[in-house]
Amino acid sequence: KQEVTQIPAALSVPEGENLVLNCSFTDSAIYNLQWFRQDPGKGLTSLLLIQSSQREQTSGRLNASLDKSSGRSTLYIAASQPGDSATYLCAVCNDYKLSFGAGTTVTVRA
Amino acid sequence: KAGVTQTPRYLIKTRGQQVTLSCSPISGHRSVSWYQQTPGQGLQFLFEYFSETQRNKGNFPGRFSGRQFSNSRSEMNVSTLELGDSALYLCASSLNPGQSYEQYFGPGTRLTVT
Repeated sequence: KQEVTQIPAALSVPEGENLVLNCSFTDSAIYNLQWFRQDPGKGLTSLLLIQSSQREQTSGRLNASLDKSSGRSTLYIAASQPGDSATYLCAVCNDYKLSFGAGTTVTVRA
Repeated sequence: KAGVTQTPRYLIKTRGQQVTLSCSPISGHRSVSWYQQTPGQGLQFLFEYFSETQRNKGNFPGRFSGRQFSNSRSEMNVSTLELGDSALYLCASSLNPGQSYEQYFGPGTRLTVT
């Protein structure tokens, strides 16, 4: 059974600081890994998708890395802004389903 | 392109009743998945449908069921509701998650069981 862990559970940083969010998973037989953002009471917004054959994916201020062999992914958010405050979820895809971590709740202080 | 839509957005039901939730995927997407989100258990996979066939099912009791129609729209049904079924139910659509396509989520249906 796939287990996904996200560390830390919560993070509070001043505006402008870079964010580093970690995700680990136990079964490396994955199709891909997705990072999502969730605002309170809302659905999930896809941020980045990394295919199992890729090592890195970038979109604007976001950069995600994937080390499938060690079962790890890291999401970097550069120059954080108050609007980045949200819960960030990591999910790995195999057997037509996503297995999610519990998320990292980020607060960016103005 | 319209996103994933879910109806209704909010529901209040009584224990023992049944409920049906609806999901319309992004146009052209043939895969629809359902997830339950609770504060205690986080996001848990319910089931996935592709071209009207269920390809995978999560570890939920038989009271939870779903189906997909020929136009890719999907419904999930929960019978004999329990207090623990109170949750945010999220639907996701994809071209085909088994081939590494991105999954897109709807806004969810908030179900409260009293």
